[in-house]
Formats: sequence, structure tokens, C-alpha cells
Amino acid sequence: KAGVTQTPRYLIKTRGQQVTLSCSPISGHRSVSWYQQTPGQGLQFLFEYFSETQRNKGNFPGRFSGRQFSNSRSEMNVSTLELGDSALYLCASSLKQGYSGNTIYFGEGSWLTVV
Amino acid sequence: ELKVEQNPLFLSMQEGKNYTIYCNYSTTSDRLYWYRQDPGKSLESLFVLLSNGAVKQEGRLMASLDTKARLSTLHITAAVHDLSATYFCAASNGAGSARQLTFGSGTQLTVLP
Repeated sequence: KAGVTQTPRYLIKTRGQQVTLSCSPISGHRSVSWYQQTPGQGLQFLFEYFSETQRNKGNFPGRFSGRQFSNSRSEMNVSTLELGDSALYLCASSLKQGYSGNTIYFGEGSWLTVV
Repeated sequence: ELKVEQNPLFLSMQEGKNYTIYCNYSTTSDRLYWYRQDPGKSLESLFVLLSNGAVKQEGRLMASLDTKARLSTLHITAAVHDLSATYFCAASNGAGSARQLTFGSGTQLTVLP
């Protein structure tokens, strides 16, 4: 059974640019969440999607957005990149909305460096 | 606002010894997760604890949950080098669609020969 797949794995962007990250959840999983991991702030929740709808959003500026497609694949977009957006972006998938008692599986992450 | 505090942040221990990592959370949470992260890697799920008094064990790791004390522990028995990693606990609050994980800062464990 394939795990959570994130692409690209590594990328370097320039300040002011925008970036799109992709996440394919485990087959059959309909909930996808995104987290940002940095040495200073640790792991922080970005947003959760279920059935193509954003169900919950963390405390991040509007430059961070996402969406989910009918096949449960999700993308997140960061516009007008800042140096502080350099981080590991992790996608998590679970079977049900809101992690209803199920294990939450994380992908390998996308390493974003903003220069 | 849910806050999760782990301690210690750094733990260096000898092989064969036992130790416990503590995870305190500030408000009601009905489930607690433990994850392991190796350098440069993603999060590997270790345990999901769903109810007060829940205890789960896998190999040399055992996790427990006390919802009244808002405390979860991860106990390491007879540590081996392969257990060296960073361990995170995460609490989940909210209901229905409003859930999100709030993570602790992580405990960086080094097991020395």
C-alpha cells in the first residue's frame, strides 16, 4: 500500500515568488492536512481538507492557501515567498475527517528553501 | 488555546537504561499521538491513545495517557542505539471537523553505546 506522496521533495525559490506543493494521500484516505516544520517554531498546523472543503485553518497569513481535488489529492500554495517560509512542509492523511480516532500518516515532506 | 509541553527536550542515555519522556497538555484533549522523526525524515506514527488510562506498547516503547492529569508518557525500556531519534507528542482537540494536531517541541533522544 503506497504511503503519502509529496512532490517536489526539494525546491529552492526566490523571495517574492510563489510555490505550489502537491500531496497524494493514501488510497482511500479523504482527509488531508498540511503542517509546517521549522527549527524555531516546530510543527505548526496549516489547514485540513476533507471532501474538497477546507475544514480547519491554522494561524498563518493569507499567503498560504490550499485546495483538495475530487480524488483527494491536495495542493498548497504560498505566494509572495519570504525568507521565513523556508521550512519542511508535511502533508498528513487520514481516513476520516478530523482524524476521528484514526492513525494520521505523514508524507516525506517538501523541503522549501527561500533565498 | 491548546498548548503541549514535552520534557526533556534533550535526552542522552546509555544503552540498556530506562527512561521516560513526558508530555503535558493544557486543555482537554481526547486523543494523544506519539511520533518519531529521524534526521531529514518525516514523522513515523508510533501510538495513538484514545482514552484515559490507555496504554500501548511496541517493542521497547510504551505509551500511556492520563486525561485527568493531562499527561502522556513515553517509556523507553533497555534503550538501544536504533532508538536515537526525535520523539514528538501531539494532542488533538476540537470536535468534528475542527480538529488539528498541536505538537510538542520534541525530545531529541541519543542512545550512547
